[in-house]
Amino acid sequence: ILNVEQSPQSLHVQEGDSTNFTCSFPSSNFYALHWYRWETAKSPEALFVMTLNGDEKKKGRISATLNTKEGYSYLYIKGSQPEDSATYLCAYNTGNQFYFGTGTSLTVIP
Amino acid sequence: ETGVTQSPTHLIKTRGQQVTLRCSSQSGHNTVSWYQQALGQGPQFIFQYYREEENGRGNFPPRFSGLQFPNYSSELNVNALELDDSALYLCASSLPQGPAGELFFGEGSRLTVL
Repeated sequence: ILNVEQSPQSLHVQEGDSTNFTCSFPSSNFYALHWYRWETAKSPEALFVMTLNGDEKKKGRISATLNTKEGYSYLYIKGSQPEDSATYLCAYNTGNQFYFGTGTSLTVIP
Repeated sequence: ETGVTQSPTHLIKTRGQQVTLRCSSQSGHNTVSWYQQALGQGPQFIFQYYREEENGRGNFPPRFSGLQFPNYSSELNVNALELDDSALYLCASSLPQGPAGELFFGEGSRLTVL
């Protein structure tokens, strides 16, 4: 069983603040690392897929980096907005199985 | 919206009963996987179906079984329900694109076992 850990478990930030979360995963036999955004009462939606060490992806105010040698990925949100409130899941992909972390629950306070 | 639909959205069963959950995959996707998310946990992989054949299984007992149909829709069956089976069950469809392929999730079926 692969261990994927996310921190913090939850956080509350003020509107306009920037924030970041961490996902750590096994550094051996790496294939891909996925980030998903999950709003309450909706389905998880893919944010980023990263496969190469040093990958950086960006979508609007959200960006992610990947370090496969040390086994971690960071997700950054710049200038948080209330609509960013959601649970952010990372998942380590071995090829035919995804191993998910427990997620970081973000609440952005207006 | 992902185009993946699950039914029912909520259901309540008692210990020992059997349950069937259903999933319609996104158009064109021939791979369906099922996940269990218990309270406070991340989604745990149950199994995956590709072209009607099981193509990978997580650490779940045989009383968790599945089917995939020619139209790529899928069912998850759980026999002899236990209290610990109470969870959100997520279905995800995808194309067999390898590690970079993303999952398209439904909104889940929330099962409560009393």
